[in-house]
Amino acid sequence: DGGITQSPKYLFRKEGQNVTLSCEQNLNHDAMYWYRQDPGQGLRLIYYSQIVNDFQKGDIAEGYSVSREKKESFPLTVTSAQKNPTAFYLCASSMKASSNSPLHFGNGTRLTVT
Amino acid sequence: GEDVEQSLFLSVREGDSSVINCTYTDSSSTYLYWYKQEPGAGLQLLTYIFSNMDMKQDQRLTVLLNKKDKHLSLRIADTQTGDSAIYFCAEIPAGGYNKLIFGAGTRLAVHP
Repeated sequence: DGGITQSPKYLFRKEGQNVTLSCEQNLNHDAMYWYRQDPGQGLRLIYYSQIVNDFQKGDIAEGYSVSREKKESFPLTVTSAQKNPTAFYLCASSMKASSNSPLHFGNGTRLTVT
Repeated sequence: GEDVEQSLFLSVREGDSSVINCTYTDSSSTYLYWYKQEPGAGLQLLTYIFSNMDMKQDQRLTVLLNKKDKHLSLRIADTQTGDSAIYFCAEIPAGGYNKLIFGAGTRLAVHP
């Protein structure tokens, strides 16, 4: 089955630690995205990548970093610089980085930092 | 600026129709999307409409677009308990490189 896999589903970390969230897709999509979801709010874009070895900051990139070394993988690192890291993180991909290419989402990782 | 607004809650009786409304600000938006999110899960693409269309129907789902008023609606016919979820409206502004702008989501509760 083709799809987007995010792991783990739940993640707990102590304040001050960096943590990396995994996102893998086997859809052969060029573009990948990371969104953050907070209760009662819409999704906000953290980073996106239109092609391998290239990525751009979204609206709330501060305190996060990404890499895109392989087409199928787009890991997100939440650094200790992120002031409010506890949230639900969603990874998505689309065939192309163009407006007529719908996003497909993974099932998310819930990160709790204490 | 870019903004998408939705009402936060909607409660309907099983078997009735549900209508979820959305307003957006960018008149140059090319595509508008509806996504469904069940508890603890990711977003599932329900349907989308291109900006030169007024209506799109897909089984129980009807999307209406009023470009003049920048208003988008999703009608679910014969609403079932399995339709209980959060529904997100999203737009892609022109030149947005697939950078969707999401509304805060409408929580649909279906009761017997």
